[in-house]
Amino acid sequence: QSALTQPASVSGSPGQSITISCTGTSSDVGGYNYVSWYQQHPGKAPKLMIYEVSNRPSGVPDRFSGSKSGNTASLTISGLQAEDEADYYCSSYTSSSPVVFGGGTKLTVL
Amino acid sequence: QVQLQESGPGLVKPSQTLSLTCTVSGGSISSGSYYWSWIRQPAGKGLEWIGRIYTSGSTNYNPSLKSRVTISVDTSKNQFSLKLSSVTAADTAVYYCARSDGATVHFDYWGQGTLVTVSS
Repeated sequence: QSALTQPASVSGSPGQSITISCTGTSSDVGGYNYVSWYQQHPGKAPKLMIYEVSNRPSGVPDRFSGSKSGNTASLTISGLQAEDEADYYCSSYTSSSPVVFGGGTKLTVL
Repeated sequence: QVQLQESGPGLVKPSQTLSLTCTVSGGSISSGSYYWSWIRQPAGKGLEWIGRIYTSGSTNYNPSLKSRVTISVDTSKNQFSLKLSSVTAADTAVYYCARSDGATVHFDYWGQGTLVTVSS
């Protein structure tokens, strides 16, 4: 069961937009619309930000959006704010095991 | 508001069995179509899904850990538990319990996490 592939780090200035990619295979990301994204601040539990590719839970700002094309899912954060600095993880349903996570991406707000 | 809380020893000796319990409050563990999972995170590393249980008792495990993992549920106590056998230093991590929808496997509620160190 291989982890989904994410860039190790991304950065952006306040007010800008950034996109984090999450690449899998047709057995996970590409085969199902069950991609989720989590935000994790240091020392804290992950927080669900996006589910089923593009749905936002109640309370998550609409600056956060998700999409998918083929075997790659993406998380876009627009109007970047200082408090968005965190680690971000994607996850997907997979045919070989119910869940697989990405390796994580560290977002730095410059 | 559903809340999850992990509990158990913070230090386990190599080759022994790691045992953790997750207590669910703010709702019955038996209500709804939810799965209850264990997820871990070694220091400075990413998340690894360990396994999950449905209130019926059916389980799914990460294939890489399957031979060492047992997850059980006690609906009378609103708890579910993790046992990981034959631990090594590589099993040192923060262990989280979490709830997911059965079909879409997104985790909407998480415990705060508990650090388990494997060391003699």
